[in-house]
Amino acid sequence: SYELTQPPSVSVSPGQTARITCSGDALPKQYAYWYQQKPGQAPVLVIYKDSERPSGIPERFSGSSSGTTVTLTISGVQAEDEADYYCQSTDSSDTWVFGGGTKLTVL
Amino acid sequence: EVQLVESGGGLVQPGRSLRLSCTGSGFTFGDYVMSWFRQAPGKGLEWVGFIRSKAYGGTTEYAASVKGRFTISRDDSKSIAYLQMNSLKTEDTAVYYCTTPYNSIYDAFDIWGQGTLVTVSS
Repeated sequence: SYELTQPPSVSVSPGQTARITCSGDALPKQYAYWYQQKPGQAPVLVIYKDSERPSGIPERFSGSSSGTTVTLTISGVQAEDEADYYCQSTDSSDTWVFGGGTKLTVL
Repeated sequence: EVQLVESGGGLVQPGRSLRLSCTGSGFTFGDYVMSWFRQAPGKGLEWVGFIRSKAYGGTTEYAASVKGRFTISRDDSKSIAYLQMNSLKTEDTAVYYCTTPYNSIYDAFDIWGQGTLVTVSS
């Protein structure tokens, strides 16, 4: 079955840049989406179609794609950005998969 | 305000059944795909399945882990999507979320309910 691979954790100091990667064989052909999830809350879409930002999401959130890897970048990280981040995509078979999630810690 | 509200969660014994409901408001429910996701305690997100709108046949797709045990249906007259869960296993214990790709520009699951907890235990 198709898998997306994320690092379990990323740590940065406030004001620094956090980069979270997601790797998958189908990513060159399929869009990726990023969700932020804080404890006890439902996920929130922060990036769609690899690099687009939904309305209401701060400009410090951006996405990029290169080959089999997509990257979520958070510039000027703030304490409120501490959360779990999940990438999501499909292998084109009408099924959706998530990466295992990355816990972002703001030191 | 576009909103989804799940209900029906609770404690159930292994092998038994449970039906979850997802009630939508603030949008034309029947025009949208409705999907279910779940999250086991302390674990990541997992897609469960989805049901297309009637305009696209109202057909369903499921994750391999639930196929044959779970069934998604919808009653557009009541703006409700259902997740019928049969032959439940302890590993089905999770918070279950319903979602929909409301904003067609995003083509993503941008509207989520608050989730309902299902605990499968004897």
